Amino acid sequence: GENVEQHPSTLSVQEGDSAVIKCTYSDSASNYFPWYKQELGKRPQLIIDIRSNVGEKKDQRIAVTLNKTAKHFSLHITETQPEDSAVYFCAASGTGGFKTIFGAGTRLFVKA
Amino acid sequence: DAGVIQSPRHEVTEMGQEVTLRCKPISGHNSLFWYRQTMMRGLELLIYFNNNVPIDDSGMPEDRFSAKMPNASFSTLKIQPSEPRDSAVYFCASTLGQGLGEKLFFGSGTQLSVL
Repeated sequence: GENVEQHPSTLSVQEGDSAVIKCTYSDSASNYFPWYKQELGKRPQLIIDIRSNVGEKKDQRIAVTLNKTAKHFSLHITETQPEDSAVYFCAASGTGGFKTIFGAGTRLFVKA
Repeated sequence: DAGVIQSPRHEVTEMGQEVTLRCKPISGHNSLFWYRQTMMRGLELLIYFNNNVPIDDSGMPEDRFSAKMPNASFSTLKIQPSEPRDSAVYFCASTLGQGLGEKLFFGSGTQLSVL
């Protein structure tokens, strides 16, 4: 089955700097790659997603890139703000599109 | 729409007791997922349903865990008997279920503590 690995597990940046989180997946049939943000004590919420027919997608300060050949995808947050502090999960949706498998998560700290 | 509704929000029970977690998906969503979240294991998919039918229960840790979806608007996850290592946050999520890779809408979760 699908396996998603995520790095780093913890990331600390200064406010205004960029943050990059990287993930790899194992199932070449995966075609949907969402990113979720989870604030302390809250539910995970989708912040951006990308499909396998697209290499890059941007939404204001966040962007995702996908390299299908290498089975890598990454989340980029620019001009980080203290409210970006949270746990970020990458995920992959595999064959049939129903099942979403999550990476282990990255705890991002943005220092003011 | 009220979103995915889970109950209870918090459950504290003693080892050996039966625990039932409940979920109401978003109206019109055809797929429902149960996830368990712990610090050590992250977000684990336990089971998912499509059109009320269990499709994949390979994530269910043991026979002590069971899940049902008797109709399109209700699902339960039952643990019997419960053990301290079952302590976790259990999330229910739903999607339209069109099989194209879709956004998961999560409920608020149930924080389970087994003493």
